[in-house]
Formats: sequence, structure tokens, C-alpha cells
Amino acid sequence: AAGVIQSPRHLIKEKRETATLKCYPIPRHDTVYWYQQGPGQDPQFLISFYEKMQSDKGSIPDRFSAQQFSDYHSELNMSSLELGDSALYFCASSPGTGVQPQHFGDGTRLSIL
Amino acid sequence: AQSVTQLDSHVSVSEGTPVLLRCNYSSSYSPSLFWYVQHPNKGLQLLLKYTSAATLVKGINGFEAEFKKSETSFHLTKPSAHMSDAAEYFCVVSESGTYKYIFGTGTRLKVLA
Repeated sequence: AAGVIQSPRHLIKEKRETATLKCYPIPRHDTVYWYQQGPGQDPQFLISFYEKMQSDKGSIPDRFSAQQFSDYHSELNMSSLELGDSALYFCASSPGTGVQPQHFGDGTRLSIL
Repeated sequence: AQSVTQLDSHVSVSEGTPVLLRCNYSSSYSPSLFWYVQHPNKGLQLLLKYTSAATLVKGINGFEAEFKKSETSFHLTKPSAHMSDAAEYFCVVSESGTYKYIFGTGTRLKVLA
């Protein structure tokens, strides 16, 4: 079965650079969630989209922005990167709103030097 | 506000012995609860979900969990641990209205040969 695809799997950047993370949800899933998992931490919710509109916002820094496109894929744009942004970034998708289990990708590991 | 508390950060069991991973929740509403497993450098895989149907929920790989409203608990169990069960386990509550996930702090399961 198709799963959530995230790219790239690994990304190395330097401070003050920008990064773009991509997420391709499971086909027919119209809701996308982004989470950030710091080293040894539990995942923290960043932002979500339903039908290409932002549906909720969590602890996402102002330096970050995201959007969902017409084909339902989503991109997380990160600017002025800081050392503390080093983390595993997960994307999850689900069909519609409501209490549907979220299906997670394998994540993008972002390392800031 | 909804939250989950995982009572043990680390659990060690011998192969072939039962597994018990404890989770308590806090919610004003009937919660939607999930257990996910995370293997190193991998995404989160859904083990099982509770969404106000049967209180005893069976999941994949022989895991099950029982929702106990009187104890506000949703503990994860497995009769016989396998080496491949060694991983990080997260108890998750889906926030009412927004459906974003709120994660527990995780329990690292170690299985001894």
C-alpha cells in the first residue's frame, strides 16, 4: 500500500540558510500534519492543512511557513535556520477531518551546522 | 486541555514474557486514543486506536490495549515479547475539534534475549 513520502530523508544546512521539506500524502488523503521531533523528545505539532487551507497551527516559529498544493502535497519552508532547528520533521496524512488515524512518513532529518 | 502521561520512560522485559506499557490520559471529553511505535530512524507506525467503540482494542503484532474510563488509563499489553518489539512507543490523544495529535513522552522498550 502507498505510504506517506517525505523528501529529502536527510538534509544538512548551515545557520541562517533556508530549507524546504516536502510531503506527499497517501492518495485520497486531503489532510496533512507536520510535526517536529527534537533529539530524545516526543513529536510536537507544527501545522496542519485540510483541503489546501490551513486548519490549525501549533508551535511553529514565524521563520517557518507551509502550504498545501492542489495535488495535496505539502511543503514546509524554513528560513534563517538556527542550531535548535535540528530535528526530525514528520509529515502525516489522514482522509478528511474527524478522528481518523494519521499515517506518518519516515521523516526528514534536518541537521544544522 | 487534553494530555497523556506515559508512566515509564524505559521498560525492560525478557523475550517471551509479557509487556505492559502504561498510559494515563486527561480529557474532559470522550477521548480518541492511539498507540504508535517508532523504530530507530523510522516514522511512527499505528499499533491500535480507541475511538469510543469497544473498550478492549486489538492491534497489530499481537498488541492490545484496554480503555478504562474509571482509571483514565489506556495501557498497552502484549502476552509475549519478541526481540523485534524493541522500539519507542508513544501514547497519543487526538485533540477534540482540531484532531492534532498530542503525544506522551514515550516509553523505550528493551527486550532481553
